[in-house]
Amino acid sequence: RKEVEQDPGPFNVPEGATVAFNCTYSNSASQSFFWYRQDCRKEPKLLMSVYSSGNEDGRFTAQLNRASQYISLLIRDSKLSDSATYLCVVNNNNDMRFGAGTRLTVKP
Amino acid sequence: EPEVTQTPSHQVTQMGQEVILRCVPISNHLYFYWYRQILGQKVEFLVSFYNNEISEKSEIFDDQFSVERPDGSNFTLKIRSTKLEDSAMYFCASSDFRLSGELFFGEGSRLTVL
Repeated sequence: RKEVEQDPGPFNVPEGATVAFNCTYSNSASQSFFWYRQDCRKEPKLLMSVYSSGNEDGRFTAQLNRASQYISLLIRDSKLSDSATYLCVVNNNNDMRFGAGTRLTVKP
Repeated sequence: EPEVTQTPSHQVTQMGQEVILRCVPISNHLYFYWYRQILGQKVEFLVSFYNNEISEKSEIFDDQFSVERPDGSNFTLKIRSTKLEDSAMYFCASSDFRLSGELFFGEGSRLTVL
């Protein structure tokens, strides 16, 4: 099983749609979790951390299920500018591992 | 805002040559990383560095690779005897896990091996 596994995508959605990405991780001892965003040929940038109780930042909602070793990201009312690759990142003892990423394209 | 800086932004080299990629992490950060991303593929972990030594390394990080923090600011990745398959974007990142745990990435160094 891969350390961090994500929906392969790509996701092509119209503006205003709601889209959800899933991620599973193999190491049950992992301590913290993040979603990063990567634009084409750019460096990854932190989108949001994922907390045990779930957390929301504007149109973005992240959820964590430790029992199932599962993380999700929900984007509501998607914008053209949301088009990017979304990377699930899992931290185990300061060892940060990335999923392969899910490509999102939001179309007019 | 403090940032991670990397040089060079792009390097073209001949197969078999040695390459050194340089990074200046954010000054109060304690953990440093190198990742690579082959065009169109995932971000792959290479190595993490803490307290002046390697703390973790992946199976990619073989004897061809080495890292060094030669002074208080620079963090370098050396690739000896480059191969065609070493062509990729190499990202340096740093973090202070006592705070947010966020990884701050440099803009990357694109390596092209001919």
